[in-house]
Amino acid sequence: SQTIHQWPATLVQPVGSPLSLECTVEGTSNPNLYWYRQAAGRGLQLLFYSVGIGQISSEVPQNLSASRPQDRQFILSSKKLLLSDSGFYLCAWTSGGRGSYEQYFGPGTRLTVT
Amino acid sequence: GNSVTQMEGPVTLSEEAFLTINCTYTATGYPSLFWYVQYPGEGLQLLLKATKADDKGSNKGFEATYRKETTSFHLEKGSVQVSDSAVYFCALRQGGSEKLVFGKGTKLTVNP
Repeated sequence: SQTIHQWPATLVQPVGSPLSLECTVEGTSNPNLYWYRQAAGRGLQLLFYSVGIGQISSEVPQNLSASRPQDRQFILSSKKLLLSDSGFYLCAWTSGGRGSYEQYFGPGTRLTVT
Repeated sequence: GNSVTQMEGPVTLSEEAFLTINCTYTATGYPSLFWYVQYPGEGLQLLLKATKADDKGSNKGFEATYRKETTSFHLEKGSVQVSDSAVYFCALRQGGSEKLVFGKGTKLTVNP
C-alpha cells in the first residue's frame, strides 16, 4: 500500500531563517506531487505541483520554492522566511495517467515563524 | 475558470442530527467530484467521490450525489456523531487537469 510521509511534524523558525520541508511517498512510482498551505482557519492554497523529476509548476509567486530531486521526493524550501509563511503545509500525491485523480495527503507540517 | 462554492460555516449540530453541507461547482464538461475531511491537526482524508453525473458516493454513513443539472454535490449524513466533528472540503478535478480545485471548507462541530 502507498504511504506518504512529511517531516518535520512541527517547526518553529525565526523570520529570515531558511526552510526545508520534505515529503516522500512509498509504494508507488511516478506520482504527481503537490504542496499546499493552509493558513489558520482558511482553506487550502496550492503552492506547487510536479508531474516528474525536475518538473515544478508554481501556482503562487512568493518566497518559496520547490524541488523534486527523486521520483518520490518533494521538497519545499525558502531562503528567508516571512511571518506570513506561518501555516500548515500539506503534501499530497496522486497517480499519474488516467483516472479520477483523487489526491492523498500527508499528515502535514505545522510551521510557526516568529 | 473552475470553482467550488461551499456553504459558510461553522455548522454546529447535536448528536444524531441530520447533516447537509452544500457544495456547488462551476466547470466545463464533466469533472470528478470529491469530499475530503480534515480532523483537527491532521491532513485531509478522502471521504467519498463521484466521477459522473448521477453517481452517488458514500462512506462512513456520508453520501453525496453528483447532480449535473444543478451543478451540485451536497454532503449528507442521517445521524451525526461527535466523532464527525471536522472540517469538510468539497473539490473537483477537471478532465485533463493535474490539479484539484477546493472549496474553502466547512467546519462541523457535533455536540453530545
